[in-house]
Amino acid sequence: GQNIDQPTEMTATEGAIVQINCTYQTSGFNGLFWYQQHAGEAPTFLSYNVLDGLEEKGRFSSFLSRSKGYSYLLLKELQMKDSASYLCAVFGGYSTLTFGKGTMLLVSP
Amino acid sequence: DGGITQSPKYLFRKEGQNVTLSCEQNLNHDAMYWYRQDPGQGLRLIYYSQIVNDFQKGDIAEGYSVSREKKESFPLTVTSAQKNPTAFYLCASSGTATYEQYFGPGTRLTVT
Repeated sequence: GQNIDQPTEMTATEGAIVQINCTYQTSGFNGLFWYQQHAGEAPTFLSYNVLDGLEEKGRFSSFLSRSKGYSYLLLKELQMKDSASYLCAVFGGYSTLTFGKGTMLLVSP
Repeated sequence: DGGITQSPKYLFRKEGQNVTLSCEQNLNHDAMYWYRQDPGQGLRLIYYSQIVNDFQKGDIAEGYSVSREKKESFPLTVTSAQKNPTAFYLCASSGTATYEQYFGPGTRLTVT
């Protein structure tokens, strides 16, 4: 079976740093994706981790520990436009993604 | 510009009617996917296709049907058998070089 857990909501202040956690238990694992989704819009790709460790890309970083079934997305220097839902997705067998329910991040001034 | 198009953005239907949602991509991707998203929920996989003339059921295929006659197109039919069809439907595609899925803008279907 597939089980992916993320916090439902988080709040943070503009300019701050926030970490969004994702834990997973899946029957197959070939990597983990993070997507950003603004309300009513399509998800957009943020990061893909297949090996353990930290991947940094500008203000966003993503970490993976395969032995712990754990990932996090780190957002630095938060901006108002970062208010969105952040989706964790496990890439399993047959080229399919299994998504968590998403974490709604609200950035306040 | 390469991308994925879905039309229309908003669709309204009466209960008991079948409705077909279009999805077209010009990214030359082999794989295409259909997801459903309900409020406060993640994306759930309806159907996917990794090659023309072949497709597989996802986690929630009941009440839906698809076809893949062309590489560029992967239409989804929501049949009257789908008990709760009102949702936001997203189409995606992916290539073989990377596993990243690219999403279309989505179609919001309302059935009353």
